[in-house]
Amino acid sequence: QKEVEQDPGPLSVPEGAIVSLNCTYSNSAFQYFMWYRQYSRKGPELLMYTYSSGNKEDGRFTAQVDKSSKYISLFIRDSQPSDSATYLCAMSATGANSKLTFGKGITLSVRP
Amino acid sequence: EPEVTQTPSHQVTQMGQEVILRCVPISNHLYFYWYRQILGQKVEFLVSFYNNEISEKSEIFDDQFSVERPDGSNFTLKIRSTKLEDSAMYFCASSERLGGFQETQYFGPGTRLLVL
Repeated sequence: QKEVEQDPGPLSVPEGAIVSLNCTYSNSAFQYFMWYRQYSRKGPELLMYTYSSGNKEDGRFTAQVDKSSKYISLFIRDSQPSDSATYLCAMSATGANSKLTFGKGITLSVRP
Repeated sequence: EPEVTQTPSHQVTQMGQEVILRCVPISNHLYFYWYRQILGQKVEFLVSFYNNEISEKSEIFDDQFSVERPDGSNFTLKIRSTKLEDSAMYFCASSERLGGFQETQYFGPGTRLLVL
């Protein structure tokens, strides 16, 4: 079983839709969970950071972590064409400044 | 806003040649990293570096790879004898030492390495 699995995509939604992106993981030692956004020809850019279980909201973005199910989600409300990018989940056992294990990424396209 | 920069943006080299990829981390950051992403695959951790020594490395980071912080601003990744399978996008990242959100890693735009 792969350490981190992410829905393969690609995903195409109309503008204004609610988007749900998900990752599952197998390593129960993971405690630090991140979502990165990557535009074409750019490096990953941090979107959300969560420690342990729970929800975190930042504007139109909500990150959820369910450690009992080893499942994390990113929700995007009122999606915009500018949200079109690849979204990567990443996680670490020992801290956000330690080795990150990434999912493969899902490419999201928001149609005007 | 401070950012991580990397040079060159693209590099083409012949198999067996040495390459050096350069990074300038964010100035007050203390932790430095290299990751790579082979086309169509996951971003993979290579190495982390703190206090002038390697903190952690992956199994990918074998004797062909080395890292160095030659001065107060640059952080380099050297591949001694490149192989075809080293072709990838290489990302440098940096983070502060403090806990919480400040620990998170900020990535540069990457160097695309092509080994022929």
